[in-house]
Amino acid sequence: TAGITQAPTSQILAAGRSMTLRCTQDMRHNAMYWYRQDLGLGLRLIHYSNTAGTTGKGEVPDGYSVSRANTDDFPLTLASAVPSQTSVYFCASSVTGGNQPQHFGDGTRLSIL
Amino acid sequence: GQNIDQPTEMTATEGAIVQINCTYQTSGFNGLFWYQQHAGEAPTFLSYNVLDGLEEKGRFSSFLSRSKGYSYLLLKELQMKDSASYLCAVIDSNYQLIWGAGTKLIIKP
Repeated sequence: TAGITQAPTSQILAAGRSMTLRCTQDMRHNAMYWYRQDLGLGLRLIHYSNTAGTTGKGEVPDGYSVSRANTDDFPLTLASAVPSQTSVYFCASSVTGGNQPQHFGDGTRLSIL
Repeated sequence: GQNIDQPTEMTATEGAIVQINCTYQTSGFNGLFWYQQHAGEAPTFLSYNVLDGLEEKGRFSSFLSRSKGYSYLLLKELQMKDSASYLCAVIDSNYQLIWGAGTKLIIKP
């Protein structure tokens, strides 16, 4: 089934450690996004990529980095995790940026201790 | 700043109709989305409005008034499976999505 795959599903990580959240889509969408979702808050954009080879910063980019080496993959890296990065992380994609609906992966639940 | 307001929680009865409101104040407007998110799951796309008026899709309808900065999602013939959070999101002038915190809808038998 076509869609977006995120890995891992959940993870507990010690503060100060690094971690890469993986995201792969097989819909050949140009645009991809990383969000975090915290209780009582809306989805907040961390980083985005409108096409392979380009990335941009969202609303809350500090402490995170991304790369977009090809169309399908958009990994999110936490270089040195802190407890405030405990959240549910969603990867999404859309045909193009702008007013196209976004399709979401199942999310990664990350706890930083 | 940019802001989207939705009620935090609503309760409705199975078989009834419920209207979930969304008001927005954003730098520009290029469309509005409604998404459904069941607990512990990913958001899924429900509707898109860019022009004023009502868009109907089965039991769900979405309305937009750009002059009032207002939208609503109307759910008819409520079913237990409609218990979920409903997220309103606005595309601003930079084509970035601004998300509301979502409305948790509880359906009672």
